[in-house]
Amino acid sequence: QKEVEQNSGPLSVPEGAIASLNCTYSDRGSQSFFWYRQYSGKSPELIMFIYSNGDKEDGRFTAQLNKASQYVSLLIRDSQPSDSATYLCAGTKAAGNKLTFGGGTRVLVKP
Amino acid sequence: EAQVTQNPRYLITVTGKKLTVTCSQNMNHEYMSWYRQDPGLGLRQIYYSMNVEVTDKGDVPEGYKVSRKEKRNFPLILESPSPNQTSLYFCASSLARSGNEQFFGPGTRLTVL
Repeated sequence: QKEVEQNSGPLSVPEGAIASLNCTYSDRGSQSFFWYRQYSGKSPELIMFIYSNGDKEDGRFTAQLNKASQYVSLLIRDSQPSDSATYLCAGTKAAGNKLTFGGGTRVLVKP
Repeated sequence: EAQVTQNPRYLITVTGKKLTVTCSQNMNHEYMSWYRQDPGLGLRQIYYSMNVEVTDKGDVPEGYKVSRKEKRNFPLILESPSPNQTSLYFCASSLARSGNEQFFGPGTRLTVL
């Protein structure tokens, strides 16, 4: 079992719709979670991070964390073609900065 | 401008020819790390460094070496590259405190023939 798992997709959503991405993790010691966006051939860039149970909103993005269920999600509202990318979920433990990445979910937003 | 730089960006080499990929950051970050990214396998950590002269293995360290003689630089060394090290490599840095955002370099695409 991978430490951080994501559905590889592609997740196809029409423009203007909500894209919902899910991520599960196996290590209960994981404390902080990050969502990175990666365009093809480019480096990952941070979209959101979340430490506490519940929801965290930033613009069109909402991250949700449920530590009891070991589940992290990312919602993208009003999806745009420019949101088409691979989204990487990553977790880190309380001590140290080692990021463990999921395999990523490819999102396609169709006009 | 705060950034992580890597050189070269693209490299084609042959089996067994030693190479070094440089990584430099100008943000005074303590933590630096190297990842490789392969289709279907995602990003995997090769080595990381918590500070000068402090390095440790990540998940896939075989065939790689690193050094951290200065805070800003963290070169990745392939002493005897093999075709299975053909990959996209990323360097990243962050502040030492846990949970901080890691900033990624632009990537180095390496092909070993």
